[in-house]
Amino acid sequence: GESVGLHLPTLSVQEGDNSIINCAYSNSASDYFIWYKQESGKGPQFIIDIRSNMDKRQGQRVTVLLNKTVKHLSLQIAATQPGDSAVYFCAETFQGAQKLVFGQGTRLTINP
Amino acid sequence: DAMVIQNPRYQVTQFGKPVTLSCSQTLNHNVMYWYQQKSSQAPKLLFHYYDKDFNNEADTPDNFQSRRPNTSFCFLDIRSPGLGDAAMYLCATSRDFGNQPQHFGDGTRLSIL
Repeated sequence: GESVGLHLPTLSVQEGDNSIINCAYSNSASDYFIWYKQESGKGPQFIIDIRSNMDKRQGQRVTVLLNKTVKHLSLQIAATQPGDSAVYFCAETFQGAQKLVFGQGTRLTINP
Repeated sequence: DAMVIQNPRYQVTQFGKPVTLSCSQTLNHNVMYWYQQKSSQAPKLLFHYYDKDFNNEADTPDNFQSRRPNTSFCFLDIRSPGLGDAAMYLCATSRDFGNQPQHFGDGTRLSIL
């Protein structure tokens, strides 16, 4: 079936460094992608989204890159802070779809 | 301010004793979803409502039911909880289907004794 997956289940970076979290998707019909951040004991929090007519979108300290050719999505977090420690999920869907398909999640740990 | 509110945050019930989890939203969104999430796994969709239209995922156990009495509230009923039903239950909303973000509550963690 269609799936969205992450290459790395865990990622550790030093505070202040940049981090990159990757995601692969397999549904070529997907045209909308979201990154969520989930801290311990909380629900997933929307970070940033991107539509398939774009290949890059920037937010505050975050950038999402979309490569439709290889069906790859990444989340870049600049100058990581302790508060960035969380599990990050990518999710994908398409116009008219009734649900999101989530990736398996990457746990990001920020080392002091 | 919280826009998707789940109560209670923690719920303990006994094996086989019915339990109801609640969700309310202030976003006036058309769609409300219920997810089950276990130990850092991705959320697993159980079912959703578009307004009053209910859609059950094919692999959602019959033990799980849902009610949406009005736009703002949605309930998850577990008729006879088993040990395997211990999990975090997440409610989410979206304005519509398709290319829309879903907004999540902070979940209810359910424990089964």
